[in-house]
Amino acid sequence: GESVGLHLPTLSVQEGDNSIINCAYSNSASDYFIWYKQESGKGPQFIIDIRSNMDKRQGQRVTVLLNKTVKHLSLQIAATQPGDSAVYFCAENPSGGYNKLIFGAGTRLAVHP
Amino acid sequence: EPEVTQTPSHQVTQMGQEVILRCVPISNHLYFYWYRQILGQKVEFLVSFYNNEISEKSEIFDDQFSVERPDGSNFTLKIRSTKLEDSAMYFCASSTDRVEQYFGPGTRLTVT
Repeated sequence: GESVGLHLPTLSVQEGDNSIINCAYSNSASDYFIWYKQESGKGPQFIIDIRSNMDKRQGQRVTVLLNKTVKHLSLQIAATQPGDSAVYFCAENPSGGYNKLIFGAGTRLAVHP
Repeated sequence: EPEVTQTPSHQVTQMGQEVILRCVPISNHLYFYWYRQILGQKVEFLVSFYNNEISEKSEIFDDQFSVERPDGSNFTLKIRSTKLEDSAMYFCASSTDRVEQYFGPGTRLTVT
């Protein structure tokens, strides 16, 4: 899936460093948040999720932090690898309904050896 | 690992023509979705589908769009009369619990 955009913010990191990707969400009633990774030519791939009753969740090499006060979400990737290079989207699920996802604008992560 | 598949990977059509984009969701999933992504923009929700009917749709999903689950495996998106602005990547997604949505690889639609 093409997520190349002239105006996508880009985060450039060295291989092995930690990466932090930030996202501001819009709806204070949203109760579920997800981070997706999109590589060139592919659809969004689920990375990690978090519910609104939590403020932190850890996965394998990834951590999501949720600050409901300021409606902010972050994705931390430890020991970033070249294979992590992709566009990362946060998505929120407004409470109720059939779980449509509202996606953020995306951040391109470029990992340099 | 089961995955969502979509066909074709790329569809080129002339303005005013009808197109049907096809998806095969993961077999035990019950909730189905279409999203689109215009080049350089974010992924946008189009429609959700459950129990053989539309459960929610966005403003984008006007009368030119329709969805169908014609059999037990396929989920289709039809655009009746394509416009130039319909050019985008179209992603199908499915879910078993309305929570974690699994996305297909997308169909690139180019309207000329």
